[in-house]
Amino acid sequence: NAGVMQNPRHLVRRRGQEARLRCSPMKGHSHVYWYRQLPEEGLKFMVYLQKENIIDESGMPKERFSAEFPKEGPSILRIQQVVRGDSAAYFCASSLGGSSTDTQYFGPGTRLTVL
Amino acid sequence: AQSVAQPEDQVNVAEGNPLTVKCTYSVSGNPYLFWYVQYPNRGLQFLLKYITGDNLVKGSYGFEAEFNKSQTSFHLKKPSALVSDSALYFCAVRDRATSGSARQLTFGSGTQLTVLP
Repeated sequence: NAGVMQNPRHLVRRRGQEARLRCSPMKGHSHVYWYRQLPEEGLKFMVYLQKENIIDESGMPKERFSAEFPKEGPSILRIQQVVRGDSAAYFCASSLGGSSTDTQYFGPGTRLTVL
Repeated sequence: AQSVAQPEDQVNVAEGNPLTVKCTYSVSGNPYLFWYVQYPNRGLQFLLKYITGDNLVKGSYGFEAEFNKSQTSFHLKKPSALVSDSALYFCAVRDRATSGSARQLTFGSGTQLTVLP
């Protein structure tokens, strides 16, 4: 019974390059959330998606960041033209339903380092 | 707006002693409350949640938490700490609103628990 999977686990990019982070939710889960954790800080919400729909992107920077969750395949968080301040751990979570009582289960995270 | 405060960055406790990790919250309505644990270079693991009903919630690994509405608190407790409990603990809150934007969890800044042998 696989949990939430994320890859790559570690990603190194130079300034100006693109970063693509992938998240496969738990089996049967159709709701995906992305969070960012800066060093020494808690997790900050970025975006909430269902299959083929962005439900809430209020926590995502307006520029350079985008997310998708296609009908087939994993959810993708894309960061274009990365800067040093993008260095962080990015966590994906999934839930079975969209109810406020549903538990979010987290993946192991992708640690992005921008040189 | 919803927020969570974890007033202690660090908690040290001797193995076998009871432990408490504090959490207070602020929401406009009624809260759903969660505790997660994070081990080094790992993701967050769900421990327990409060939705409704009994104020004392029991979770994984012997942890429990008590919801106190008057004090807006949801402290995490364990009667007897283990060295393996040493980790970073996060409290999180979600408002009971029904709109899509309410699905996000708002996390505290985390409390590093160290259990000393």
